Amino acid sequence: KAGVTQTPRYLIKTRGQQVTLSCSPISGHRSVSWYQQTPGQGLQFLFEYFSETQRNKGNFPGRFSGRQFSNSRSEMNVSTLELGDSALYLCASSFQTGNDYEQYFGPGTRLTVT
Amino acid sequence: GESVGLHLPTLSVQEGDNSIINCAYSNSASDYFIWYKQESGKGPQFIIDIRSNMDKRQGQRVTVLLNKTVKHLSLQIAATQPGDSAVYFCAESHNDMRFGAGTRLTVKP
Repeated sequence: KAGVTQTPRYLIKTRGQQVTLSCSPISGHRSVSWYQQTPGQGLQFLFEYFSETQRNKGNFPGRFSGRQFSNSRSEMNVSTLELGDSALYLCASSFQTGNDYEQYFGPGTRLTVT
Repeated sequence: GESVGLHLPTLSVQEGDNSIINCAYSNSASDYFIWYKQESGKGPQFIIDIRSNMDKRQGQRVTVLLNKTVKHLSLQIAATQPGDSAVYFCAESHNDMRFGAGTRLTVKP
């Protein structure tokens, strides 16, 4: 079974630009979550999508948005980039049946804003 | 405000010993907890989870203990191996998910 894939793996943007990151979950997983990881703030939850609907949202400004497609692939978009948006953006797909829960993270997209 | 925090930033153990990593949380409404392992250059790896209606759950070589009275979560790793060296962090969830800063576990041969 293929793992979670994220594209691109590395990205350099300048302040004010916008960026779109992509995540393909494990086949059969309908839930996709996005996280931001920085050395200063650690791992922070951005949002979770399930069956094309945003199910939960973290405490990030409206510049951060996402969506999920019918094939469960998800994208997140950051508009008007700021230097502080430089981070590793991680996507995770998950599946739950009864009390059993499995979650797998992708390798992340390293975003550098200059 | 509510917070998730780890008691120790670093932990060094001898190979073969048991490791205990602790986590404190303050949101009494949190009902789901996860422990993750993150190796250098890799994404987090789900280790084990526990719901608030349980106080203990065991996996392969790992045990998670939940003490809701004092809002404390711990991860026990039995017979720690060099491959266990990584950063471990806890996460608590109610409507969203919040993560601890992490504890770096180093296993000495």
